[in-house]
Amino acid sequence: AQSVSQHNHHVILSEAASLELGCNYSYGGTVNLFWYVQYPGQHLQLLLKYFSGDPLVKGIKGFEAEFIKSKFSFNLRKPSVQWSDTAEYFCAVNANFNKFYFGSGTKLNVKP
Amino acid sequence: DADVTQTPRNRITKTGKRIMLECSQTKGHDRMYWYRQDPGLGLRLIYYSFDVKDINKGEISDGYSVSRQAQAKFSLSLESAIPNQTALYFCATSDFGQGAGNEQFFGPGTRLTVL
Repeated sequence: AQSVSQHNHHVILSEAASLELGCNYSYGGTVNLFWYVQYPGQHLQLLLKYFSGDPLVKGIKGFEAEFIKSKFSFNLRKPSVQWSDTAEYFCAVNANFNKFYFGSGTKLNVKP
Repeated sequence: DADVTQTPRNRITKTGKRIMLECSQTKGHDRMYWYRQDPGLGLRLIYYSFDVKDINKGEISDGYSVSRQAQAKFSLSLESAIPNQTALYFCATSDFGQGAGNEQFFGPGTRLTVL
């Protein structure tokens, strides 16, 4: 079955700590990959996306993600988190320009 | 960002009632989607539509129906609401094409409570 797995359901970090959130997917065809963020009480907003080219993509607010095709992974990273990064993060995959599949989300709590 | 709007934003209803959630978009996208969000489960696709004449079931369509009235409008109905349909519902739109990266744009959500 097609799926998107986010390994960390809840992450707690102190400000300035580094962040890496894992995402793995199980599609073999053409994929577009996304990370979305949902701040408390808000809708999902796009952080970054990959659809071709350089597998290291940079997004807003200092986030980046690396597409590793051989590992079917698209991990999200940030070198130094801030309190304002407290949110829920969702990995999503669009396979063969068809539907989107979302992971179950990772709640990030950054302590000031 | 008012490109994707949802009405109502909050709704409390009783078991057995019929409920309609509406979504409108001004992005000119052909593709529209309805998701529900539950804690710990992420977003699950209810229905999606790739153009006005195209309607497809998602992974959790039972108990729901949709109507694509126009390119810009996509409504979700709960024919007879039940408590386990209490959730946050999101509408989304997307373009088609690899060059655009076909990301989804989300509405603000509708918080539905079924008593």
